[in-house]
Amino acid sequence: GIQVEQSPPDLILQEGANSTLRCNFSDSVNNLQWFHQNPWGQLINLFYIPSGTKQNGRLSATTVATERYSLLYISSSQTTDSGVYFCAVVKYSSNTGKLIFGQGTTLQVKP
Amino acid sequence: DAGVIQSPRHEVTEMGQEVTLRCKPISGHDYLFWYRQTMMRGLELLIYFNNNVPIDDSGMPEDRFSAKMPNASFSTLKIQPSEPRDSAVYFCASSLTTDGYTFGSGTRLTVV
Repeated sequence: GIQVEQSPPDLILQEGANSTLRCNFSDSVNNLQWFHQNPWGQLINLFYIPSGTKQNGRLSATTVATERYSLLYISSSQTTDSGVYFCAVVKYSSNTGKLIFGQGTTLQVKP
Repeated sequence: DAGVIQSPRHEVTEMGQEVTLRCKPISGHDYLFWYRQTMMRGLELLIYFNNNVPIDDSGMPEDRFSAKMPNASFSTLKIQPSEPRDSAVYFCASSLTTDGYTFGSGTRLTVV
């Protein structure tokens, strides 16, 4: 099946710093999402981005589908950005709709 | 919309007891998914439904697990009998065909 690899696995930032998280996937995909799991365990949808670039406040994401990767940019990080960031993909096939998750990037933003 | 609603938020039960987790998807969404999250295995898809019909249950760990979706606004995941290794956070998610997924807040299950 399709493999999703995220890097780095762990990241520690000082408040105000910028960062880039990467997601590589092993096959063409029909859907890609970035999620933030906050310290309370909630999975929050950040971006639905199978291709192109999107921005939402201090966060932006770019997916280059032809090269099978996506990037999540966090600018001017805040302590509330701490948590785990997951990339997840869907490849429609005989088993349509399976959202396959990477292992996540654990981000800690220090004040 | 209130989003995907799961209940209960926390469940503590004794080994051997039956556990039922509940999910109300977003109105109008035609896909519903059950995921399990553990430290060891991360987020795993257990089963998903399309228009209330189970499409893929290959992720269901064993016969002790069962899931139903009797109508478009309700689904259950049942574990009978429960075992300590079933302890995990169980998430329900819904989506509209090719749109993005929305997750519920999860049910933290502890089997003692």
